[in-house]
Amino acid sequence: GDSVTQMEGPVTLSEEAFLTINCTYTATGYPSLFWYVQYPGEGLQLLLKATKADDKGSNKGFEATYRKETTSFHLEKGSVQVSDSAVYFCALSDSGNTPLVFGKGTRLSVIA
Amino acid sequence: NAGVTQTPKFQVLKTGQSMTLQCAQDMNHEYMSWYRQDPGMGLRLIHYSVGAGITDQGEVPNGYNVSRSTTEDFPLRLLSAAPSQTSVYFCASRGRGRNEKLFFGSGTQLSVL
Repeated sequence: GDSVTQMEGPVTLSEEAFLTINCTYTATGYPSLFWYVQYPGEGLQLLLKATKADDKGSNKGFEATYRKETTSFHLEKGSVQVSDSAVYFCALSDSGNTPLVFGKGTRLSVIA
Repeated sequence: NAGVTQTPKFQVLKTGQSMTLQCAQDMNHEYMSWYRQDPGMGLRLIHYSVGAGITDQGEVPNGYNVSRSTTEDFPLRLLSAAPSQTSVYFCASRGRGRNEKLFFGSGTQLSVL
């Protein structure tokens, strides 16, 4: 079945450092790919998405490119802030009637 | 729009008690789902529904029941609470199509003593 593997955390960075969180997937079809973010005490919210190969999703300075050849969707940000401290989840969707498949999440802590 | 509304936000139960976690959405979404999130762990799918009258099991369905009598509501029932069900529970819904994002509620923190 479909699966998502993302790098284990926690990840601790200094403010203004470069961030990469790796995500690879296995799917039988051509899924849509998502990054969700969960701030402390809140539910998950969509950060960005990409729906086909070579698409780049972006939001709030974060970017991720749908790479079909490497089955990857790595999350990047050029300069992280303390306010980016959260748990980040990579996910895929094969259809609207089946559950999203989530990775296990990566906790990011950014220190001033 | 209110989005996905979960109640209550916090609940403490004794072992063996039953309760219902409520979830409602006002976006006319056909797909709804329940997850649990344990400390330091990711999300685990409990049950989901693709429309009124249709429900299916997820990864960890034991000890939980669901029903979907309307498009808007998707309650989660704990029949006989156990300490292993102490967790944070999230309800989520989405529109049709694989490109549609999942909208999450703010969660219910449940403790079973």
